[in-house]
Amino acid sequence: DIVLTQSPATLSVTPGESVSLSCRASQGISTSIHWYQQKSNESPRLLIKYASQSISGIPSRFSGSGSGTDFTLSINRVESEDFSVYYCQQSYSLPRTFGGGTKLELK
Amino acid sequence: EVQLVETGGSLVQPGKSLKLTCATSGFTFSNAWMHWVRQSPEKQLEWVAQIKAKSNNYATYYAESVKGRFTISRDDSKSSVYLQMNSLKEEDTAIYYCTWGNWYFDYWGQGVMVTVSS
Repeated sequence: DIVLTQSPATLSVTPGESVSLSCRASQGISTSIHWYQQKSNESPRLLIKYASQSISGIPSRFSGSGSGTDFTLSINRVESEDFSVYYCQQSYSLPRTFGGGTKLELK
Repeated sequence: EVQLVETGGSLVQPGKSLKLTCATSGFTFSNAWMHWVRQSPEKQLEWVAQIKAKSNNYATYYAESVKGRFTISRDDSKSSVYLQMNSLKEEDTAIYYCTWGNWYFDYWGQGVMVTVSS
């Protein structure tokens, strides 16, 4: 199985800061990585597909990059509604696997 | 509007069975690849099972942790997908989400809680 390792586990920031969240795959997966946001007591929501492709309805401050084994989700100027948990997921092979998540919290 | 609504969650004893249902609307269900994904109390997400469309011969796939115990199925006439869970273990305790997507999960239901405990 492909293991996805997200770092850091928790990121404390103030609104207006720009941040980068990391997801590292245990083997090369091209750009078969997708990012989700999960707010408290809600279902996950798709943010970015195929490492860098935007999703309709998602604010443009969210962007993704990377290929191979190292991927990054960037949030430009964090807003209060962005404090959530973020997960990466790979679709390179079965079983589909998720990272352990990065919690973005208010400093 | 796309909707996925899961039902059937419950508190059950180890070794017992439970069947989850996901009723959908707002998209062409018959063409959709459907999945069940669960989230443990520790918040870890785990893909559980997938069923492809009729054009893909309704192929099914499972996580190793549930293979042989869980069965995913669908009824295109009812736009619904099911998860039959047998021989439940305490480690199956989780929120179970029904999701739609081929390679990534476009839409998610609100989730249903399954608790396995004596």
